[in-house]
Amino acid sequence: GQNIDQPTEMTATEGAIVQINCTYQTSGFNGLFWYQQHAGEAPTFLSYNVLDGLEEKGRFSSFLSRSKGYSYLLLKELQMKDSASYLCAVLDSNYQLIWGAGTKLIIKP
Amino acid sequence: GAVVSQHPSWVICKSGTSVKIECRSLDFQATTMFWYRQFPKQSLMLMATSNEGSKATYEQGVEKDKFLINHASLTLSTLTVTSAHPEDSSFYICSARVAEISYNEQFFGPGTRLTVL
Repeated sequence: GQNIDQPTEMTATEGAIVQINCTYQTSGFNGLFWYQQHAGEAPTFLSYNVLDGLEEKGRFSSFLSRSKGYSYLLLKELQMKDSASYLCAVLDSNYQLIWGAGTKLIIKP
Repeated sequence: GAVVSQHPSWVICKSGTSVKIECRSLDFQATTMFWYRQFPKQSLMLMATSNEGSKATYEQGVEKDKFLINHASLTLSTLTVTSAHPEDSSFYICSARVAEISYNEQFFGPGTRLTVL
């Protein structure tokens, strides 16, 4: 079966750095997405990785290792507004998005 | 660009009534639209995938006669929850995909909060 694992909840301090991990086992791979979702709102796109390595975009970076079935989202200089759920999703061989359950990130002052 | 709208943003209805939710791609033509449902503190659950002009493909466990999907044009898809019951109360989100974007990104609508009394 297809499976995506990420931690249920993480807590970090304002101004710090946090890394959210995601491991996946899917039938085929056409890229991995990270989305941010605030409570009661739809997901918003953060990043897309299809090749191994690190993609940096401002305070957010995303890393992919296809051989290990592993990705992480790195958030730097955390702000209170970063409190949200972070969803990892993989495009499988049929170009269907397989979603992880999401990681709720709590930022404390 | 790539804006998706949903209407209504929230709806409260009595048990047994039907509710229609519209999903529109405002500035692009969507080759494929997706309908998701999300219960509190859970991840997105794909309900169905629809391509313009053809019947929707429903995920296992989703009743196609209860959740009617019409994708009449490249910019509009509708989801009708027929004979809604309290257990159908959820957050319904649509997304649209553009084939021309190489990595098949999905653009999400803002969601519709359905409460069935």
